[in-house]
Amino acid sequence: KNEVEQSPQNLTAQEGEFITINCSYSVGISALHWLQQHPGGGIVSLFMLSSGKKKHGRLIATINIQEKHSSLHITASHPRDSAVYICAVREVTGNQFYFGTGTSLTVIP
Amino acid sequence: EAGVTQSPTHLIKTRGQQATLRCSPISGHTSVYWYQQALGLGLQFLLWYDEGEERNRGNFPPRFSGRQFPNYSSELNVNALELEDSALYLCASSLYTGFYTDTQYFGPGTRLTVL
Repeated sequence: KNEVEQSPQNLTAQEGEFITINCSYSVGISALHWLQQHPGGGIVSLFMLSSGKKKHGRLIATINIQEKHSSLHITASHPRDSAVYICAVREVTGNQFYFGTGTSLTVIP
Repeated sequence: EAGVTQSPTHLIKTRGQQATLRCSPISGHTSVYWYQQALGLGLQFLLWYDEGEERNRGNFPPRFSGRQFPNYSSELNVNALELEDSALYLCASSLYTGFYTDTQYFGPGTRLTVL
């Protein structure tokens, strides 16, 4: 069973398009993280959410605790946004982490 | 400020051997997390150390172990290596501020290959 489900698995977009990646989870959480992994493996933490919405530049992350769902939006996408985006949750006990399998995004110039 | 560092970058071992991976957290961070990312699979949580103690471990056999030193650096040991242990091992560090809020900062990873 997967505690965290992401969709879509793969996404190809034209430069400038608005992109949405979705994440649903089945456990009670204390926090949800959106991570970005570039080819070669390096991971950057984009957002940590426990409620509401956060914005950083062209990136927006939202979470609906009642529906156990989060979305990551990228406005005006750019080829440098091409990466794997991973949703991760920290279970409410604080001790277990679960990861989605990632969404591979390719932005074409 | 230096980020999370890991060594070695690459490690090649044969089946049955032991591997030791090292992680130095960001200065001031007390929590260190270890994750495994096998080829084609997602990240999986391995271990969490804070203030020198193991706080929790993921669903991995006991041959995966580690420790955290007084300077908060950490070591991951994998004994009796198996072919399926080949993976990218990522370390992350954070300030443990309690229940809710600890953004994790990831290191570049150690790629372990078991032949």
